[in-house]
Amino acid sequence: EAGVAQSPRYKIIEKRQSVAFWCNPISGHATLYWYQQILGQGPKLLIQFQNNGVVDDSQLPKDRFSAERLKGVDSTLKIQPAKLEDSAVYLCASSFDRTGELFFGEGSRLTVL
Amino acid sequence: QKEVEQNSGPLSVPEGAIASLNCTYSDRGSQSFFWYRQYSGKSPELIMSIYSNGDKEDGRFTAQLNKASQYVSLLIRDSQPSDSATYLCAVRATSGSARQLTFGSGTQLTVLP
Repeated sequence: EAGVAQSPRYKIIEKRQSVAFWCNPISGHATLYWYQQILGQGPKLLIQFQNNGVVDDSQLPKDRFSAERLKGVDSTLKIQPAKLEDSAVYLCASSFDRTGELFFGEGSRLTVL
Repeated sequence: QKEVEQNSGPLSVPEGAIASLNCTYSDRGSQSFFWYRQYSGKSPELIMSIYSNGDKEDGRFTAQLNKASQYVSLLIRDSQPSDSATYLCAVRATSGSARQLTFGSGTQLTVLP
C-alpha cells in the first residue's frame, strides 16, 4: 500500500515570497491533515479536511496560509507571503476517518531567509 | 486550547534498561491516546494507542493510562540504541466535529550502548 506522498521535500525561499506544498493521501482515506512542526516542538495542526470539506482550520494563519483539497483526494497548502517564522517542516497526514490512526508523509522542509 | 504536556528531556538510559516517558493532558473527557516515535529528520510513526485505563503491552512497549489523573505513560523495556528518538504523546479531543489530535512537544530519548 502506497503511503502519504508529499512534495517538494525541501524548499528555500526569501521572505515575502510564496510557496506551495502538495500532498496525496493514502487511497481511501477520507481525512487529511496539515501539521506544522517547528524544530524542537511537536506537530501543530493547521487544517483538517474531511473529504473535500474543512472541519478545523482554527490555527491556520488565514492572512497568509491557504489550503484546498479538490475532489476530496490530494491537497495543496500555500503560504503567501512567507515570514521568517514560517521556517518549519510541513507534515501531511491522512486517516481512514476522523477517529482513525494518522499516517504521516515524509514532510516538506521550508527554510525562509 | 487543549494541552498535552511532556518532559522535554533529554532522557538518557543505558542499553537494556527501562525507559519511562510521561505525558499529562488537560481535556478530562479525552478518550484516545497515542504514542508516536520520531527519528531525527523523519516523520512521526505510531507505535502505541490506548483507549481504556490500565496497561497495554506490545512487545517491548507498554502504554499506561490513568484517566483520573489525566496521565499517560510509555515504558520501553530492554532499551536498544535503535530506540533513540523523540517520543510524541498525542491526545484526541472529544468535542468538536474535527476530533482534533493534539501533540505534546516530545521527549528526546537517548539509549547509550
